[in-house]
Amino acid sequence: EDQVTQSPEALRLQEGESSSLNCSYTVSGLRGLFWYRQDPGKGPEFLFTLYSAGEEKEKERLKATLTKKESFLHITAPKPEDSATYLCAVQAKETSGSRLTFGEGTQLTVNP
Amino acid sequence: DARVTQTPRHKVTEMGQEVTMRCQPILGHNTVFWYRQTMMQGLELLAYFRNRAPLDDSGMPKDRFSAEMPDATLATLKIQPSEPRDSAVYFCASGLGVRGPSYEQYFGPGTRLTVT
Repeated sequence: EDQVTQSPEALRLQEGESSSLNCSYTVSGLRGLFWYRQDPGKGPEFLFTLYSAGEEKEKERLKATLTKKESFLHITAPKPEDSATYLCAVQAKETSGSRLTFGEGTQLTVNP
Repeated sequence: DARVTQTPRHKVTEMGQEVTMRCQPILGHNTVFWYRQTMMQGLELLAYFRNRAPLDDSGMPKDRFSAEMPDATLATLKIQPSEPRDSAVYFCASGLGVRGPSYEQYFGPGTRLTVT
């Protein structure tokens, strides 16, 4: 069974204080690992897809990296508007369609 | 700006009533997903469709939940009869379901269901 564990559950940062969120996964053959951002009262918003170990993707202050066992979402010099819950999900190769297994998320708060 | 739309956004109903939630996927997307999100369980996949055919509905309580795609522009999730434990936010997502950048799923705003 595919499993995704995210840590920490919650993270408070001061504006400008860089940090990383972790996503550990267990899957029988990774097809892709996905990062989403979710704001209160809204649906998850797609951020990145990573397909193979060593791959990195960047978007503004966010950078996602992937190893064979985990992914990191690095946040550089965060701003209050980066406050949200960040969700990680995996897709296994043997699944038909595009089934994703999500982690519980990390709730990030960036204080001004 | 193409988006997934869901109606209603909020629904309050009494236990035992039928609830129908609707989703319009992004035009051209051939894969549609229904998720349920609660504080306790997080995001759970209930069912998904490719080219309107159900691929997996193992996450749904079969005795009370049903999901259909009457056409390519409409997906429905029905609960009959509803129970208080069904209270959650229900998300619809759509995607292209093919290799490469199109594995991503794009989520709607959700339907917040409260069953009293």
